[in-house]
Amino acid sequence: AQRVTQPEKLLSVFKGAPVELKCNYSYSGSPELFWYVQYSRQRLQLLLRHISRESIKGFTADLNKGETSFHLKKPFAQEEDSAMYYCALPDYKLSFGAGTTVTVRA
Amino acid sequence: DAGVIQSPRHEVTEMGQEVTLRCKPISGHDYLFWYRQTMMRGLELLIYFNNNVPIDDSGMPEDRFSAKMPNASFSTLKIQPSEPRDSAVYFCASSLEAGYGYTFGSGTRLTVV
Repeated sequence: AQRVTQPEKLLSVFKGAPVELKCNYSYSGSPELFWYVQYSRQRLQLLLRHISRESIKGFTADLNKGETSFHLKKPFAQEEDSAMYYCALPDYKLSFGAGTTVTVRA
Repeated sequence: DAGVIQSPRHEVTEMGQEVTLRCKPISGHDYLFWYRQTMMRGLELLIYFNNNVPIDDSGMPEDRFSAKMPNASFSTLKIQPSEPRDSAVYFCASSLEAGYGYTFGSGTRLTVV
């Protein structure tokens, strides 16, 4: 069965430090993966998708098929990056990981 | 388009009462999804519709939960009777395709006391 795993529920970093959110997947075909972000008490919104290979708000994510990972990275975290992040795998529906809450401290 | 519209934004109700959550998807989106978000379980898919027809309701926790989509522009999620463990944020999302291009509503924060 298709599945997405985010092993870290909470992640705390200092402003200006690098941040990496882990995401691993299990999928029988060639996956397309997304990262969604939810700022405090707001709706979920798409942050980026691997197929577009773009950087959004300084975040990047590379699909590593060998490690079946799609980790989200940002070299210098900002306070406004504090949010909940979900890794997601589309199939006939969108399967979300458990989510990682990121807190960026001043 | 105003996006996916959910109502109410907040709902506080007493245990045993019926609760109805509402969702208006984006016009033209054929898929509609109901998710529940809690700290313990994250984001869970409860049910989804395609062209107003329920396709997968395997995530609906129990018979107390029911969902309908009487037309392309409206869906409801009903809990009867409600219990404190149903307290969560309920999100509705719609999309043109299965799995892609989801637009989420602002959610309904339900508190059952």
